[in-house]
Amino acid sequence: DTAVSQTPKYLVTQMGNDKSIKCEQNLGHDTMYWYKQDSKKFLKIMFSYNNKELIINETVPNRFSPKSPDKAHLNLHINSLELGDSAVYFCASSTRTGGYEQYFGPGTRLTVT
Amino acid sequence: GQNIDQPTEMTATEGAIVQINCTYQTSGFNGLFWYQQHAGEAPTFLSYNVLDGLEEKGRFSSFLSRSKGYSYLLLKELQMKDSASYLCAVRDPRDTGRRALTFGSGTRLQVQP
Repeated sequence: DTAVSQTPKYLVTQMGNDKSIKCEQNLGHDTMYWYKQDSKKFLKIMFSYNNKELIINETVPNRFSPKSPDKAHLNLHINSLELGDSAVYFCASSTRTGGYEQYFGPGTRLTVT
Repeated sequence: GQNIDQPTEMTATEGAIVQINCTYQTSGFNGLFWYQQHAGEAPTFLSYNVLDGLEEKGRFSSFLSRSKGYSYLLLKELQMKDSASYLCAVRDPRDTGRRALTFGSGTRLQVQP
């Protein structure tokens, strides 16, 4: 009965490769997000999707491309990986009502060598 | 822009009370959140304040003063499992459709026996 799930949990790859991270939520939420947490544990928004529509695209290199096939899924594809992309990537989803508190997935630790 | 400040580290004793402060400067205000993050895990939602005052939830309470741009998280009857990072976050004020959170750098709390 996992609420927000991500795959893979760990991803080790070489510079220049292309990789994808998948996210799924079964909470019935209409908004999903990608956050990046760097080595200093600073958590920063990358993208936000509301009902499959891109709402937020912060200053993120265009090597990063989110894709939302439906409300329950938000995937992140990264082209031409660089060393600086190494981080933990969290997917999250939020409620439609109330405080819009966000529920986070377990994270994907990406290591680029 | 938005700026959020919180202490980097705090230490407290099991059974005691600890207060973690957060100050913020934002161009608007649309709600403040506290999240707990254990090492290697996802952030989990603790509390939400949008109006001034104290919100109590079991051993955890959160306070907000919008005029002062100030919030605190109060943890009572500390337990060893409360050792974690505590993240203060504000919701993007630009419009209600933008529900992303801007996080502070987090306060790492160490509970000692």
